[in-house]
Amino acid sequence: SQKIEQNSEALNIQEGKTATLTCNYTNYSPAYLQWYRQDPGRGPVFLLLIRENEKEKRKERLKVTFDTTLKQSLFHITASQPADSATYLCALLRGAGSYQLTFGKGTKLSVIP
Amino acid sequence: GAGVSQSPSNKVTEKGKDVELRCDPISGHTALYWYRQSLGQGLEFLIYFQGNSAPDKSGLPSDRFSAERTGGSVSTLTIQRTQQEDSAVYLCASTGGRANYGYTFGSGTRLTVV
Repeated sequence: SQKIEQNSEALNIQEGKTATLTCNYTNYSPAYLQWYRQDPGRGPVFLLLIRENEKEKRKERLKVTFDTTLKQSLFHITASQPADSATYLCALLRGAGSYQLTFGKGTKLSVIP
Repeated sequence: GAGVSQSPSNKVTEKGKDVELRCDPISGHTALYWYRQSLGQGLEFLIYFQGNSAPDKSGLPSDRFSAERTGGSVSTLTIQRTQQEDSAVYLCASTGGRANYGYTFGSGTRLTVV
């Protein structure tokens, strides 16, 4: 069966350090992978999309990598700030031609001042 | 509107009652999705509407769940004869029709069945 695993339920990091979150998947051949941020009591907010033919994508302090051989994406936040504290979700399309995203359970990031 | 709007934001209902949850997507967005998020769980896909095509209902957990989308805009998710296990946050999202644009989610409806 298809699985998406974010292998840390929670991650604590000191302010100013780089946070690295991991998303692993099995039995998918995704065309692209997305990352979302979710704050308590709110819906997820889209952050970044990376395509299968892209190794890396950046947006301000965010960087996403996508390794289709390892079936893994890494999500980095550099110079982390307490305001970056939230749950981060990765998501993949269910299958070729599908418009339905399947989400991981998320990693709760806490940036400690 | 500027974003996806869901109502009510909170709903407490007695077991066995029917509930209706509403979603107003972003104007012009052709695709609309319903997901459910239970405590400590990931987002669970429920149903997907795309334009005038037949909806993808493959995620609905039982025949007590149904959804409709009128005029290609507003959607209503109905849960009949609610059970305690239906308690969750129900999230609606819309896109311009291509998931590679990213979903825009509403803030959700927190449903509590007592």
